[in-house]
Amino acid sequence: DTAVSQTPKYLVTQMGNDKSIKCEQNLGHDTMYWYKQDSKKFLKIMFSYNNKELIINETVPNRFSPKSPDKAHLNLHINSLELGDSAVYFCASSEGDGRKVAFFGQGTRLTVV
Amino acid sequence: AQSVTQLGSHVSVSEGALVLLRCNYSSSVPPYLFWYVQYPNQGLQLLLKYTSAATLVKGINGFEAEFKKSETSFHLTKPSAHMSDAAEYFCAVSDRGSGNTGKLIFGQGTTLQVKP
Repeated sequence: DTAVSQTPKYLVTQMGNDKSIKCEQNLGHDTMYWYKQDSKKFLKIMFSYNNKELIINETVPNRFSPKSPDKAHLNLHINSLELGDSAVYFCASSEGDGRKVAFFGQGTRLTVV
Repeated sequence: AQSVTQLGSHVSVSEGALVLLRCNYSSSVPPYLFWYVQYPNQGLQLLLKYTSAATLVKGINGFEAEFKKSETSFHLTKPSAHMSDAAEYFCAVSDRGSGNTGKLIFGQGTTLQVKP
């Protein structure tokens, strides 16, 4: 079984559209994250949820809205997509302690055309 | 604010040669330290982590790293490179102390090329 799974793996869409990426973890972790990897492969955290509560929001445009229906799921909805949103988005989960390992999904490659 | 610097965005070694990937952190309190590997079109996989007093940490696939507080470094090494080691390597840090969220701050990444 995949520990952290994201769907879709690839997403190509036009500017101005709204899209969602889904993430699920079966590790029983309390904390989930969204990271963005840009074209230079730089990884930066976007959001974190702990038990469905938002705990990190790293100055991400409000077109990005995470939603956590339960602690095993963290979805990312993006409104009015822009060319600059093209990136790979990774979901991750951990026990929410800095010592603990974060497990990453396979990533969703978003291409905005 | 914490930061992580990986010296060398691209490292090329011959198969069988020593691999050395450099990582330095900037933090007043030594953070927890991690090395992750990313194979093409895949997610990140943990290689090893430093979270305790043992400064030499062994990881998967023959990799190890040594935490040196005096140098604020956590360099990754492998005695003998294999073709399958070709990948992107990321050093990352996480805060210690109460209130830490497990948030990772990543270095810029190092692409390891292994030549036959």
